[in-house]
Amino acid sequence: KAGVTQTPRYLIKTRGQQVTLSCSPISGHRSVSWYQQTPGQGLQFLFEYFSETQRNKGNFPGRFSGRQFSNSRSEMNVSTLELGDSALYLCASSLSFRVGTGELFFGEGSRLTVL
Amino acid sequence: AQTVTQSQPEMSVQEAETVTLSCTYDTSESDYYLFWYKQPPSRQMILVIRQEAYKQQNATENRFSVNFQKAAKSFSLKISDSQLGDAAMYFCAYRSATEYGNKLVFGAGTILRVKS
Repeated sequence: KAGVTQTPRYLIKTRGQQVTLSCSPISGHRSVSWYQQTPGQGLQFLFEYFSETQRNKGNFPGRFSGRQFSNSRSEMNVSTLELGDSALYLCASSLSFRVGTGELFFGEGSRLTVL
Repeated sequence: AQTVTQSQPEMSVQEAETVTLSCTYDTSESDYYLFWYKQPPSRQMILVIRQEAYKQQNATENRFSVNFQKAAKSFSLKISDSQLGDAAMYFCAYRSATEYGNKLVFGAGTILRVKS
């Protein structure tokens, strides 16, 4: 069974640009969560999607957005990039959105560098 | 809001010996889940062990075990017979068992170095 796939693995952007990251969950998983990992702030929850709807959102500015498609694949977008957006962006998938269920399976991440 | 604290930025252990990583958390909830995740240099986070707060028995997975002290809000990870492959960043994480969703609150992480 294929794991969580994130593309691209590495990318370099300049300030002011926008970026789109993609995440394909494990087959059959319907929940996709995104996390930002930086040396200074650690791992922070961005948002979670289930059945094409954003169900949970972390404390990030509106420049960070996402969406989920009918096949459960998810994309996240960051507009007007800032230097501080340089990070490893991790995607995690889970079977469902129910209370207390579901192990999270993580992808290898997309490393974004903003120059 | 829940918080998770890992007070050891870095730990070292000799191969075949035992090491304990510390984690404390703060929550007003009575029902929740706690996890230890491992992130090797390849970056993919892997679940090491999980503990349900309502269970008094400490979870064990092969060489990995936890010491869960609910009243003290402490959740330490013990790695026995350490192996070179255990070298990684370890994260303690919290998830509510009463709120819908899979949001995890992570600690800052502990880098574990294993010496041969």
